[in-house]
Amino acid sequence: DQQVKQNSPSLSVQEGRISILNCDYTNSMFDYFLWYKKYPAEGPTFLISISSIKDKNEDGRFTVFLNKSAKHLSLHIVPSQPGDSAVYFCAARKEYGNKLVFGAGTILRVKS
Amino acid sequence: GAGVSQSPRYKVAKRGQDVALRCDPISGHVSLFWYQQALGQGPEFLTYFQNEAQLDKSGLPSDRFFAERPEGSVSTLKIQRTQQEDSAVYLCASSYIGVAGRYQPQHFGDGTRLSIL
Repeated sequence: DQQVKQNSPSLSVQEGRISILNCDYTNSMFDYFLWYKKYPAEGPTFLISISSIKDKNEDGRFTVFLNKSAKHLSLHIVPSQPGDSAVYFCAARKEYGNKLVFGAGTILRVKS
Repeated sequence: GAGVSQSPRYKVAKRGQDVALRCDPISGHVSLFWYQQALGQGPEFLTYFQNEAQLDKSGLPSDRFFAERPEGSVSTLKIQRTQQEDSAVYLCASSYIGVAGRYQPQHFGDGTRLSIL
């Protein structure tokens, strides 16, 4: 069963505009959510996380929003830059667990 | 180096051969994870170590997969009698143990791309 879903395989955005990447989950036992960025032939790089007790976390150009009632989170990148072009993975951790459950990823292309 | 180091970066093996993949975690990271990533998919959990203890191996797909971390630092993932469906990128990640309930994110290496012919 796919507990973390990223329903948009790809997204194309103009440089300087906002990029919004979405993620849905089904397991209410998840207590932390993370976003990773991945360039080709490299491993995923940690971007930002949010605890299930919060609804927003911001770090520079990156903001993650969590809507627990909808079991939905999103990553906002403002302003988008060409270097942001990569695959973005949403991941979640079960309460008191250790492993991460990942979505399938969304390819972001930022056009200059 | 400062990050998680994995070797080899690429490995080609014939079906039926045994392979060994190495992971050198970030110094001081107690937790170590192995993930398998198929093409076009997100990483999938294989196994977890805390120091030298393998606390979770629920994601290992078969008894052909074996992982160890004998001294609580470097880890090796071994696949015996490889099959074509084992072809994937194998990612290693490490992290600190979170204290006072504070979560510590996992940091990933660049992976080993395994191709079974």
